Amino acid sequence: GIQVEQSPPDLILQEGANSTLRCNFSDSVNNLQWFHQNPWGQLINLFYIPSGTKQNGRLSATTVATERYSLLYISSSQTTDSGVYFCAVLDNYGQNFVFGPGTRLSVLP
Amino acid sequence: DTAVSQTPKYLVTQMGNDKSIKCEQNLGHDTMYWYKQDSKKFLKIMFSYNNKELIINETVPNRFSPKSPDKAHLNLHINSLELGDSAVYFCASSQKMWYNEQFFGPGTRLTVL
Repeated sequence: GIQVEQSPPDLILQEGANSTLRCNFSDSVNNLQWFHQNPWGQLINLFYIPSGTKQNGRLSATTVATERYSLLYISSSQTTDSGVYFCAVLDNYGQNFVFGPGTRLSVLP
Repeated sequence: DTAVSQTPKYLVTQMGNDKSIKCEQNLGHDTMYWYKQDSKKFLKIMFSYNNKELIINETVPNRFSPKSPDKAHLNLHINSLELGDSAVYFCASSQKMWYNEQFFGPGTRLTVL
């Protein structure tokens, strides 16, 4: 089945810094999404981005489907950005929705 | 108004018991999902369901079954609970299966003793 890797596994930033999180996947995909899980466990869907670039406030994401990776950019990070960021992909058969292991982000005040 | 709600928030039970977790969404979405998050925070899709199809992750034991009394509800039934079923279970919904933003419930922490 499709494999999903994320890097780095852990990231510590000072408030105000920028960061880039990466998601690599092993096969062609129909769909890619980014999620944030806050320290209290709540999951939020950040982006649905099978290809191209999207922006939402301080966050933006780019997926290069032909090269099998996606990037999540966080600019001017805030302590509320802390948590775990997951990417997940849907295989081309539309049957398997697979999550990466996540990147744990800690933003220090 | 909570968009996706789950009950109970915590569930502690003995091995071998049968339990259910309820999920309701008031967003008018067509599709609902169940996810399992283990102790290492790894997330796995268990079921995705709309009124036309049910997709079951092949790794999910058949002791787990989703039941949908109507479009707004997708409950998770678990028979003969095992220690390894301990996890946080999340319900979610979206307008179309996979191709829209998903909205998640707060999660149910299941502990099997």
